[in-house]
Amino acid sequence: DVKVTQSSRYLVKRTGEKVFLECVQDMDHENMFWYRQDPGLGLRLIYFSYDVKMKEKGDIPEGYSVSREKKERFSLILESASTNQTSMYLCASSPPTISGNTIYFGEGSWLTVV
Amino acid sequence: EDQVTQSPEALRLQEGESSSLNCSYTVSGLRGLFWYRQDPGKGPEFLFTLYSAGEEKEKERLKATLTKKESFLHITAPKPEDSATYLCAVQAGGAQKLVFGQGTRLTINP
Repeated sequence: DVKVTQSSRYLVKRTGEKVFLECVQDMDHENMFWYRQDPGLGLRLIYFSYDVKMKEKGDIPEGYSVSREKKERFSLILESASTNQTSMYLCASSPPTISGNTIYFGEGSWLTVV
Repeated sequence: EDQVTQSPEALRLQEGESSSLNCSYTVSGLRGLFWYRQDPGKGPEFLFTLYSAGEEKEKERLKATLTKKESFLHITAPKPEDSATYLCAVQAGGAQKLVFGQGTRLTINP
């Protein structure tokens, strides 16, 4: 069974803290993604990676960075968390040809910044 | 800019009461339109892919249809277990990403 695992499901962090959200996939997929999901706004792409050490900005990269040192692991980093980054964060992975029917999502990480 | 708009934002139905969810889109060269189901506290799960106007796909009580400007997700005689948020996404030709709508939160009362 395919699996995308987000290790932290619920986090509460203070404004200004550095936050790491980790994602691991076991499908040997080339592509990995980070989305954030907010009520009324749907899923918005923050960053994606199509290979180890490769990354591309999505639609809302400001305030975020990413790291992909190994194929199976993709980390989202909030260098200095702010309250407007309180959200649900979804990680996903897919084979090289991105398609809506071959993208697999994790269960989400709920981040609250106070 | 590629855009996807879903309506209504929320829908409450009685068990057995059929209805439709709408997904309107503007995209340069549609490569695919996708429907997902998302349960609370979970990630989206893939339901359907539609590639061209006139195409239809069915799965149990759900049927997805596509025109040049919109897609409908028809729910026939729904049950409480169909309660979820339904997401629509499009992929433009050559784009390495999906653009999602805001979702429709569907509640089926017994």
